[in-house]
Amino acid sequence: DTAVSQTPKYLVTQMGNDKSIKCEQNLGHDTMYWYKQDSKKFLKIMFSYNNKELIINETVPNRFSPKSPDKAHLNLHINSLELGDSAVYFCASSQAGDREIRAVYGYTFGSGTRLTVV
Amino acid sequence: AQKITQTQPGMFVQEKEAVTLDCTYDTSDPSYGLFWYKQPSSGEMIFLIYQGSYDQQNATEGRYSLNFQKARKSANLVISASQLGDSAMYFCAMRETNSGYALNFGKGTSLLVTP
Repeated sequence: DTAVSQTPKYLVTQMGNDKSIKCEQNLGHDTMYWYKQDSKKFLKIMFSYNNKELIINETVPNRFSPKSPDKAHLNLHINSLELGDSAVYFCASSQAGDREIRAVYGYTFGSGTRLTVV
Repeated sequence: AQKITQTQPGMFVQEKEAVTLDCTYDTSDPSYGLFWYKQPSSGEMIFLIYQGSYDQQNATEGRYSLNFQKARKSANLVISASQLGDSAMYFCAMRETNSGYALNFGKGTSLLVTP
């Protein structure tokens, strides 16, 4: 059973299109994230949701809109795709609990979605 | 400002040797967690080891150990007895109390293990 699954794994699309990436976790975690990994391999947080509530919304163009229908799912919709959006997008989940970070609240990552905008 | 600094973009090590990957961090939060992840060429993110800011002892997981020097704000990863399969990108990351639960990552170190 895949713990955090993202679909699709690869996405090639033209500039100006709208696309979605889906993420589902079966770990019972209460927090989910989207990270972007650029061509230099740098991983940057985009969004985090805790129990379907948006917690982090980093400086991301508003063409990117996350949607969390329930705490097991966090989808990412991207409007009007641009060349610079080409990257690998990772979904992740964790059990945030009450913000206590003394315990090891592990983060589980999906396998990534490689988005190529042409 | 960069919260996690990995100063070694690339490292080489011979098989069976030990290697240390550097990580320094910047936080004023008294409570934080430090993580190391491995990303092989296949792309997945693999959790290696965790160190909590209140942990008295350095974390160890098999061949991985974390050299935690709190006063210097460093959390170096030590891989003992390197194997060819250890060739990958390695990322240091930190979670702070007020980071919205998210991890902040360093820019990574590419490790190549040679025969």
